[in-house]
Amino acid sequence: GENVEQHPSTLSVQEGDSAVIKCTYSDSASNYFPWYKQELGKGPQLIIDIRSNVGEKKDQRIAVTLNKTAKHFSLHITETQPEDSAVYFCAASKPTSGQNFVFGPGTRLSVLP
Amino acid sequence: DAGVTQSPTHLIKTRGQHVTLRCSPISGHKSVSWYQQVLGQGPQFIFQYYEKEERGRGNFPDRFSARQFPNYSSELNVNALLLGDSALYLCASTQGFPGGNSPLHFGNGTRLTVT
Repeated sequence: GENVEQHPSTLSVQEGDSAVIKCTYSDSASNYFPWYKQELGKGPQLIIDIRSNVGEKKDQRIAVTLNKTAKHFSLHITETQPEDSAVYFCAASKPTSGQNFVFGPGTRLSVLP
Repeated sequence: DAGVTQSPTHLIKTRGQHVTLRCSPISGHKSVSWYQQVLGQGPQFIFQYYEKEERGRGNFPDRFSARQFPNYSSELNVNALLLGDSALYLCASTQGFPGGNSPLHFGNGTRLTVT
């Protein structure tokens, strides 16, 4: 089955700097890759997603890149702010019956003021 | 519009007991999935229901069961609780059949503690 790895497990950056989180997946049939942000006491919230027919997607300070050949995708956050501090999860899914999302282990991002 | 709602928010049970967790999806969403999130880890897939039928099951023992009602709400049941069942149980809904290009929308979860 699908296996998603995520690095780093923890990341500390200064406010205003950029943060990059990387994920790799094992199943070449996976075609949809969302990123979730989870704050303390809350459920994961979708922040951006990318489909396998696209190499890059950007939404204001957040961008995601996908390399299908290497089977890895990355989250880029620019001009980080203290409210970006949270745990971030990548995930992968494929359109087969009964299949659902496989999540990475998470990255705890701390933005230091 | 209300998001995914889950109840209760917290629950403490004793080993061997049974628990029922409830979830109401976003209005118009027909698919509900359940995930278990152990502290410090990513969510792990338990069940997927679409149009009241089970469409997927993760690698969990038969002590775990679920169902979806005609109004698309769902229940997760866990029998014979073990200490290792202590976790945050997340419900997610999606507009279409999940596993394709429809993102999951999560509730805030039920924190289950088994003592």
